[in-house]
Amino acid sequence: EDQVTQSPEALRLQEGESSSLNCSYTVSGLRGLFWYRQDPGKGPEFLFTLYSAGEEKEKERLKATLTKKESFLHITAPKPEDSATYLCAGIYGGATNKLIFGTGTLLAVQP
Amino acid sequence: ETGVTQSPTHLIKTRGQQVTLRCSSQSGHNTVSWYQQALGQGPQFIFQYYREEENGRGNFPPRFSGLQFPNYSSELNVNALELDDSALYLCASSSYTGIGGYTFGSGTRLTVV
Repeated sequence: EDQVTQSPEALRLQEGESSSLNCSYTVSGLRGLFWYRQDPGKGPEFLFTLYSAGEEKEKERLKATLTKKESFLHITAPKPEDSATYLCAGIYGGATNKLIFGTGTLLAVQP
Repeated sequence: ETGVTQSPTHLIKTRGQQVTLRCSSQSGHNTVSWYQQALGQGPQFIFQYYREEENGRGNFPPRFSGLQFPNYSSELNVNALELDDSALYLCASSSYTGIGGYTFGSGTRLTVV
């Protein structure tokens, strides 16, 4: 069964303290890896899509990278407004192009 | 370019009742997927609709059903509601392959009492 696992479950940072979130996934059949940000009670907001090992994408203080078996979301000098749950999801081949999500990392950035 | 709109935003139902949730897809997208997100969990795939037909289902019982309309909008119907059905229900629109990305709506918060 295809699986996506995120760590840590929760992370508390001081403003300006950089860190990384991890997403490991079932390798076989992966067609793409997505990162989303989700605020409480809201739908996931798209951040990045990565398709192949070695690929990197950046947006403001966030950078997503993909290796052959995991993905990282690097947060550089975070601000309190970066506090949210960050979700990783894989899309796998087959008859249905469905997203398989991890349980997310709850990030809290304190001023 | 319009995003994905879901209605209603919040709903309270009694156990055993039936509920219908609605979703309009983003312009240019022809596929709609529904996800259930319990508190503190990642979204779980319910089913997907393409060309007005169900195109895959996750591990959900038949009392979860859906429709897709010619304009690509969609409905999620849940019969015989149970307390465990309380969750945030998310709709996502995409192209058929999904590679271009999935756009999510803000969700419908369903509470079953």
